[in-house]
Amino acid sequence: DIQMTQSPSSLSASVTDRVTITCRASQGIGSRLAWYQQKPGRAPKCLIYDASSLQSGVPSRFSGSGSGTDFTLTISSLQPEDFATYYCQHYNAYPITFGQGTRLDIK
Amino acid sequence: EVQLVESGGGLVQPGGSLRLSCAASGFTFNNYWMTWVRQAPGKGLEWVANIKQDASENYYVDSVRGRFTISRDNARNSLYLQMNSLTTEDAAMYYCARGGSDSSWYWIHWGQGTLVTVSS
Repeated sequence: DIQMTQSPSSLSASVTDRVTITCRASQGIGSRLAWYQQKPGRAPKCLIYDASSLQSGVPSRFSGSGSGTDFTLTISSLQPEDFATYYCQHYNAYPITFGQGTRLDIK
Repeated sequence: EVQLVESGGGLVQPGGSLRLSCAASGFTFNNYWMTWVRQAPGKGLEWVANIKQDASENYYVDSVRGRFTISRDNARNSLYLQMNSLTTEDAAMYYCARGGSDSSWYWIHWGQGTLVTVSS
């Protein structure tokens, strides 16, 4: 199974900060990676797919990069609505797995 | 508008069974792979099972294989998850999800979830 490891597990930041979350796969997955945002009591929301493609309707302050084993999600200027938990997910092969999540809190 | 509405969750004793349903609307259901994803209280996301458009292929996470069965009824635009031999480890919110295209395994449409509680 491919293990997905996110870092950090939690992060405190301020509005307008630039934030980067990393995700490492235990083996190469090409660009078959998605990023999700989840707020308490809500279903996840897809932000990025194919490692760097912005899902329709997602603000351009979100961006993704990487390929192979190392990936990043960047929020260029944090907004109040961005405080949430973020997950990476590979879809290179079965079983599909998620990272453990990164909780982004207000500093 | 794409809508996915799960139902069937509830309280069940260890060793018991439950059948979850997901009613789909707003898209051509038989054009898409469909998926169940779960999330234990306070924990992360876990993919559970996928089923192909014509139900000719399905895949499961190891922890549920042999106990859970994913199925679909394209005439009723519905997805199901039959869960047998439930343990406390299966307690979670269960989400029905659909991919961004007919063959994508990332999910852009999600239901609101149905909660499964396993307790004696």
